[in-house]
Amino acid sequence: DTGVSQDPRHKITKRGQNVTFRCDPISEHNRLYWYRQTLGQGPEFLTYFQNEAQLEKSRLLSDRFSAERPKGSFSTLEIQRTEQGDSAMYLCASSAGTDTQYFGPGTRLTVL
Amino acid sequence: DQQVKQNSPSLSVQEGRISILNCDYTNSMFDYFLWYKKYPAEGPTFLISISSIKDKNEDGRFTVFLNKSAKHLSLHIVPSQPGDSAVYFCAASGDSSYKLIFGSGTRLLVRP
Repeated sequence: DTGVSQDPRHKITKRGQNVTFRCDPISEHNRLYWYRQTLGQGPEFLTYFQNEAQLEKSRLLSDRFSAERPKGSFSTLEIQRTEQGDSAMYLCASSAGTDTQYFGPGTRLTVL
Repeated sequence: DQQVKQNSPSLSVQEGRISILNCDYTNSMFDYFLWYKKYPAEGPTFLISISSIKDKNEDGRFTVFLNKSAKHLSLHIVPSQPGDSAVYFCAASGDSSYKLIFGSGTRLLVRP
């Protein structure tokens, strides 16, 4: 059991650049979730996939954000034209269709 | 509109004593509740959960109590250990997406 992995762990970018994060869920977990956490707050839901289908997106997910899970395994989250307000920890979680989600270590994004 | 609230940002207890972390929610549709523990620079780690059909669930030193009429849950840690020092998040879900709604967290410090 390798757990949920995320890459990179840290990303520093300049405002206006595009960034892409990857999440590898626990194998055979059919649901994959993305959350964002800012300092002093709990994680906030962004979007989720059941297999390869993206079934829900939060209003927090502006049109600069896009997520994919092309083969129902790993997922990518891309942020275009980054802004300083995008600086946060981006967390990925997976589940086997039950309520218990298991989280990865997160990707810390800093936008300068 | 904060649907899950953790009103105590921090808690300090002596090693060996009981730690009680509290959480309130407003959405009566929530039917599953979880507690996660988070260390700095890591993702949340699942601790314990409870379904709305129960009022108590126990796992080793951790017990979660649910009071549906008061829309309140609590996590008891007995006995507390220095390694329990972390931020604890309460989370709830209540629809087919199973997306989690988190509180803002309580920082627990267990003093040796």
